[in-house]
Amino acid sequence: DIQMTQSPSTLSASVGDRVTITCRASQSVSTWLAWYQQRPGKAPKLLIYKASTLESEVPSRFGGGGSGTEFTLTISSLQPDDFATYYCQHYSSFPYTFGQGTKLEIK
Amino acid sequence: QVQLVQSGAEVKKPGASVRIACKASGYIFTNYAMHWVRQAPGQRLEWMGWINTGDGNTKYSQKFQGRVTITRDTSANTAYMELHSLRSEDTTVYYCARERVGTLGYWGQGTLVTVSS
Repeated sequence: DIQMTQSPSTLSASVGDRVTITCRASQSVSTWLAWYQQRPGKAPKLLIYKASTLESEVPSRFGGGGSGTEFTLTISSLQPDDFATYYCQHYSSFPYTFGQGTKLEIK
Repeated sequence: QVQLVQSGAEVKKPGASVRIACKASGYIFTNYAMHWVRQAPGQRLEWMGWINTGDGNTKYSQKFQGRVTITRDTSANTAYMELHSLRSEDTTVYYCARERVGTLGYWGQGTLVTVSS
């Protein structure tokens, strides 16, 4: 199975900050990489697919990049609604696997 | 609009089986695959398996092979996930998720399964 590792596990930031989360795959997944946002007690929500394509209605302050084994999720100017947990996930082959998550906290 | 509504919380004894339903609406059910994912408290999401709702073909994570069965009822626009031989570690929230752009684009609300003697 392909292992997905995110860093950091926790990130403290303030409204208006620019933040970046990194996701590494144990082998190349090309650009078959998605990012999800999850709020407590809720289902994950797809933010980005194909490494850099923004899902419909997702604010443009979210951006994704990378290919192969290294990927990033950037939020250009944090809003109060953005404090949540973020997961990366590859879908290059079965089984799909997820990163351990990055909890974005208010500083 | 696409909606996935899952069946309610379950409490089961160790060794029992549980079946969770995921009723879909707002789209042609057989046009999109359905996945099942679970998440223990504070843990990462874990992909369990997938069904091609058109032809019924399935694929399971090796971790759950032999213990999980995913089926669908096209007349009811519903997918099912059955997990057998339950143990305490299976106490977690289970999600169905519909495929979109190759990945998990729409999610059900989640179903909590508690395994306890």
